[in-house]
Amino acid sequence: DAGVTQSPTHLIKTRGQQVTLRCSPKSGHDTVSWYQQALGQGPQFIFQYYEEEERQRGNFPDRFSGHQFPNYSSELNVNALLLGDSALYLCASSRFDRGSSEQFFGPGTRLTVL
Amino acid sequence: GEDVEQSLFLSVREGDSSVINCTYTDSSSTYLYWYKQEPGAGLQLLTYIFSNMDMKQDQRLTVLLNKKDKHLSLRIADTQTGDSAIYFCAESQGDSSYKLIFGSGTRLLVRP
Repeated sequence: DAGVTQSPTHLIKTRGQQVTLRCSPKSGHDTVSWYQQALGQGPQFIFQYYEEEERQRGNFPDRFSGHQFPNYSSELNVNALLLGDSALYLCASSRFDRGSSEQFFGPGTRLTVL
Repeated sequence: GEDVEQSLFLSVREGDSSVINCTYTDSSSTYLYWYKQEPGAGLQLLTYIFSNMDMKQDQRLTVLLNKKDKHLSLRIADTQTGDSAIYFCAESQGDSSYKLIFGSGTRLLVRP
């Protein structure tokens, strides 16, 4: 079992560009959540996907959007990048029928915006 | 409101016990979690406790929950240098909420 995987591991973009991050959930999991972790802070919830729909959303602007595919993998898109978007982006997967318990995190994508 | 607070730093000697504390504000929290993050890595789920429990033990880890004071602690017995990392406390809200609210993390340094 490969666990939760994310790609790419590192990414450098410039202000105003757009970025797409990818996540494959742990085998047997059908729910994917995305978090942003700024340096020295705890992760902050962006949104959660189940059955290819956004089910919950945190306090992030519409520049942050996502998608879930039929195989349960997910993408996070960020438009019009700002310097403040520089962070570690974490994906977490879980089973919807188990509620919020046992969310497993991937290694993250480190995004640097110059 | 949503707020999870942790002390920033803890230093212990190898072989001693470590106790990391956390306070939370949301009384509707269903699950409370402890995650470990090593440098440059993602979060590793260590353990979690359901809000109707007082204590959970898993090998060297003991979680204590005081619902009245909204206080959660993680005790690591026989702390090893490999336990040096940042430890995050997190709460989820309600039975069907996947939104985890994290504290800012406690950096644990284990001295040889």
